[in-house]
Amino acid sequence: DIQMTQSPSSLSASVGDRVTITCRASQRISVYLTWYQQKPGKVPKVLIYTASNLQSGVPSRFSGSGSGTDFTLTISSLQPEDFATYYCQQSFSTPLTFGGGTKVEIK
Amino acid sequence: QVQLQQSGPGLVKPSQTLSLTCTASGGSITNDDYYWSWIRQPPGKGLEWIGYIYHSGNVYYNPSLESRVDISVDTSKNQFSLRLSSVTAADTAVYFCARYYDSRGMNWFDPWGQGTLVTVSS
Repeated sequence: DIQMTQSPSSLSASVGDRVTITCRASQRISVYLTWYQQKPGKVPKVLIYTASNLQSGVPSRFSGSGSGTDFTLTISSLQPEDFATYYCQQSFSTPLTFGGGTKVEIK
Repeated sequence: QVQLQQSGPGLVKPSQTLSLTCTASGGSITNDDYYWSWIRQPPGKGLEWIGYIYHSGNVYYNPSLESRVDISVDTSKNQFSLRLSSVTAADTAVYFCARYYDSRGMNWFDPWGQGTLVTVSS
């Protein structure tokens, strides 16, 4: 199985801050990496697919980068509605696996 | 716009079988670009892929659950189902169904069902 490790597991930030979340795969996965946002009591929402492609309807302050084993999700200017938990997920091979999540909290 | 509606009990006794169904509306489950998936999330924890099925019946399971899982599809009803046998308290989780798009190198889970909290307890 490919293990996905996210860091940090949680962070506190203020509105307007630039936030970066990292995701590391235990083996090379090319660009088969998706980022999701999940708010409490809600289903996950696709933000970024194939490592760097913005899903339709997602604000441009979200961006993704990386390939191989190291990936990042960046929020350029944190907004109040962005406080949530973020997950990465690899689709290079089954079993499909998710990172442990990064909870973004209000400072 | 495809929507997924989950149904099934929220309480299952230990050692029994968890059964959930997901019905798709607004689109056909026989579309070649999609796999129909089950994912679970223990309370306060992360996401775990259980498995997915193609409309042809080809199915792929997470090896960690493979001995207890059965995912099936009924194209006539536009629905797919999950059965997880011999459940224990460790199987307590919110279970989601989701459509997995897999085409031209692009992949994602969307949409998702509303989620069903399944509690394993006597």
